[in-house]
Amino acid sequence: QSVLMQPPSVSGAPGQRVTISCTGSNSNIGAGYDVHWYQQLPGRAPQLLIYGNINRPSGVPDRFSGSKSGTSASLAITGLQAEDEADYYCQSYDSSVSGSVFGGGTKLTVL
Amino acid sequence: QMQLQESGPGLMKPSETLSLTCTVSGDSISGRHYYWGLIRQPPGKGLEWIGSIYYSGSTYYNPSLNSRVTISLATFKNQFSLKLTSLTAADTAVYYCARVFHYYGSGTYCDAFDIWGQGTMVTVSS
Repeated sequence: QSVLMQPPSVSGAPGQRVTISCTGSNSNIGAGYDVHWYQQLPGRAPQLLIYGNINRPSGVPDRFSGSKSGTSASLAITGLQAEDEADYYCQSYDSSVSGSVFGGGTKLTVL
Repeated sequence: QMQLQESGPGLMKPSETLSLTCTVSGDSISGRHYYWGLIRQPPGKGLEWIGSIYYSGSTYYNPSLNSRVTISLATFKNQFSLKLTSLTAADTAVYYCARVFHYYGSGTYCDAFDIWGQGTMVTVSS
């Protein structure tokens, strides 16, 4: 059971918009700690997609956006493309762990 | 451009100690006050943070592994290393090295893993 909860899977057709939720608690997201998102393409290492809740590293398309409210955060992907098919993970800091925690991951399928 | 490369034994036996090395290229491991981290991923499962080390050598570990984990720096080799003792089958995973982007945001210090190695598979089996 992951400290941060994500839906196991989401799907969407090319061109559509999908969102992936990340639900935490008052010891992590709700305590104000930033949320980061990673994309893991099949057979590859994870890559940082969003950091500090809303910021995109250089090279990440603006189709990807992040938000945070209360004890939850969300990743939105607009204009869905086949190449977006991957696993997505959220990550934050948890005061009860005194370190980083990840969500269980969400598999995005592009129909 | 900074890159990280893991090197590990591949196959280990239960109760043995894993030694894994992360080699950093493209920048100094002790430069710019970097942090460095290790994350693992069991086959078909999610990511688990193992621990992190500051360029000064100070460390912090996942409490679930704390008693078995040691992360150290070898700055003269531009490397950092993981030792994980008393291995069991549950330690079978891909082990990743990563650079930690440590910054002050939202009123506290935050860690994001901004550069990752390709990962190395470690299998624990008798």
